[in-house]
Amino acid sequence: GNSVTQMEGPVTLSEEAFLTINCTYTATGYPSLFWYVQYPGEGLQLLLKATKADDKGSNKGFEATYRKETTSFHLEKGSVQVSDSAVYFCALSDLQGGSEKLVFGKGTKLTVNP
Amino acid sequence: EPEVTQTPSHQVTQMGQEVILRCVPISNHLYFYWYRQILGQKVEFLVSFYNNEISEKSEIFDDQFSVERPDGSNFTLKIRSTKLEDSAMYFCASREGFADTDTQYFGPGTRLTVL
Repeated sequence: GNSVTQMEGPVTLSEEAFLTINCTYTATGYPSLFWYVQYPGEGLQLLLKATKADDKGSNKGFEATYRKETTSFHLEKGSVQVSDSAVYFCALSDLQGGSEKLVFGKGTKLTVNP
Repeated sequence: EPEVTQTPSHQVTQMGQEVILRCVPISNHLYFYWYRQILGQKVEFLVSFYNNEISEKSEIFDDQFSVERPDGSNFTLKIRSTKLEDSAMYFCASREGFADTDTQYFGPGTRLTVL
């Protein structure tokens, strides 16, 4: 079945540091890929998405590129802020393959220190 | 901006009791979902619902669980006889199904504690 493997945390960075959170996936079809973010005490918010190979999703300075050849969707940000402290989840859905459900990675907790 | 809402934010119940978790999806969305997240673990899919029917469900979603859309706005998850292992955060999500075909939007969650 479909699965997502995500870099385990926690990750602790200083403000303005570069962030990479690795995500790889296994899917039988051509999934859409997502990053969701969960701020402390809140629900899951869509951060960005990409629906086909070589698409780049971007939002709030975060980027991720859909790499079919390496089955990856790594999240990057050039300069993190304290307000980026949250848990980040990589996920996929495979509507074309007949499944609506989102399959999530385990989540990576990011703490950014001033 | 439209958002998914959930009530209550926290529910405490005794083992064996029935609970109903409520969700109001985004108004023009057609597809509805429940997920759960046991503390420290992955977010897991429970069930999807479209056109007043379950369209997909996971192994977790056994006979103790049911979903309903009793009116035009609410979407509920019922657990008939709660177990200790049902303690988790439960998230509702909805999807438009037209222009934005595949993005699911999540509510803030209901934390269920079974004692």
